[in-house]
This record gives sequence, structure tokens and C-alpha cells, in this order.
Amino acid sequence: KNEVEQSPQNLTAQEEEFITINCSYSVGISALHWLQQHPGGGIVSLFMLSSGKKKHGRLIATINIQEKHSSLHITASHPRDSAVYICAVWGTGNQFYFGTGTSLTVIP
Amino acid sequence: DTAVSQTPKYLVTQMGNDKSIKCEQNLGHDTMYWYKQDSKKFLKIMFSYNNKELIINETVPNRFSPKSPDKAHLNLHINSLELGDSAVYFCASSRVAGGFTGELFFGEGSRLTVL
Repeated sequence: KNEVEQSPQNLTAQEEEFITINCSYSVGISALHWLQQHPGGGIVSLFMLSSGKKKHGRLIATINIQEKHSSLHITASHPRDSAVYICAVWGTGNQFYFGTGTSLTVIP
Repeated sequence: DTAVSQTPKYLVTQMGNDKSIKCEQNLGHDTMYWYKQDSKKFLKIMFSYNNKELIINETVPNRFSPKSPDKAHLNLHINSLELGDSAVYFCASSRVAGGFTGELFFGEGSRLTVL
């Protein structure tokens, strides 16, 4: 069983839809990252969280440390948001674990 | 100026050869990483260096040897390449290590194909 589980694995949405991607983890963590991998392969860091909530533009990330759960929300989704979204955590023992990714396609 | 740059972007080689992938960051970060993304697109950390010292060394074959001549460079050398080494290798850097790091900055990836 993977230390980091994401759901859904694949997601297709209509433009302007509100999107939620979930991440659950089973280890103690010191931080959680949300990453975006573009169709061309490049990886960009979206958020690093250790508590609470962060917002960048149309993206919002939340984390609940007690429940070991994080969500990434995209408001007013756009076709350019189509990408793979990856959750990753820093374990307290200095380990680093990745989720398997959520492939998002936003249709115009 | 590219923040984290890797070379080469593409590498095709025969089984048994030895090859290196170079990584440089111009962000002044203290920590650098190598990650492997397999054919199923699953990412896994291989190594992490903080100020030229190895801090994470996941279970990877001894054929993989990272070398950090200074904190701006982390090169990956692979001996006796095997078919299963075919993957995309990503270099990344961050301000400090562990959970107190800032965001991760990734290179564009180096696609290694072993024939």
C-alpha cells in the first residue's frame, strides 16, 4: 500500500467547473506538497503546506493534519489546467513519498 | 536564466554502458534532489544532498552514484546500465531540507532510454 493515496486517479471536467482532488497519507509528516506536471513533462510546485489553507489565484489547498488529508481545489477550471496533479509528503523521518497522481482533463 | 537545468534532456544508450546526467541550480539553494519517474509516471525520490552532504539515500542500486562538487551541482552517474533504468530523471532543489523546505524547483527532466 502506498503511503500517499490520491483520488480520483482520472478526472474529466467541463470548463468553469469546480474541481477537487484529494490526498490521504498514512505517515507522520512535516510538510505536504502539491505539484503539477504539464503534458510536456515539466513539474511545477503549486503549494507547500504544513497546516491550514493556502490560495494562489484559482487554486486553493487545504490540509487537515489530524485526519491526514489534503485537498486541492480549482475554481472556474480552464482547459489550460489540464495536467497531472501530484501530492507528495515529507515524512518526519526525513523520507519523501509521492502519490500516484490525478490526471485532470478540462474540456472547453 | 533557467533556475534548475539538467543535461542532457534525452539520452539513448546501450545496456552495460556508463552514463552521467548533470544538474545545476542558480537559486542559491542548499538542498538538491534526484527523482526517478518510471513508465507508469510514478515519481520516487532517489537521493537528497544538503550542502554537498548526502541526507537521503533511498534503496537504489549501487550502480547509481550521486556526486555533488558544490552546493549548486548534483550529478548522477549510472554504471552498467540496465533496461529497467529507462525512465525520466528529475533534478530539483529547495532552500533547505526536510519539512521546513520552501517549494521545490524542478529541472525539465532527462529521459534515459536503455536499449
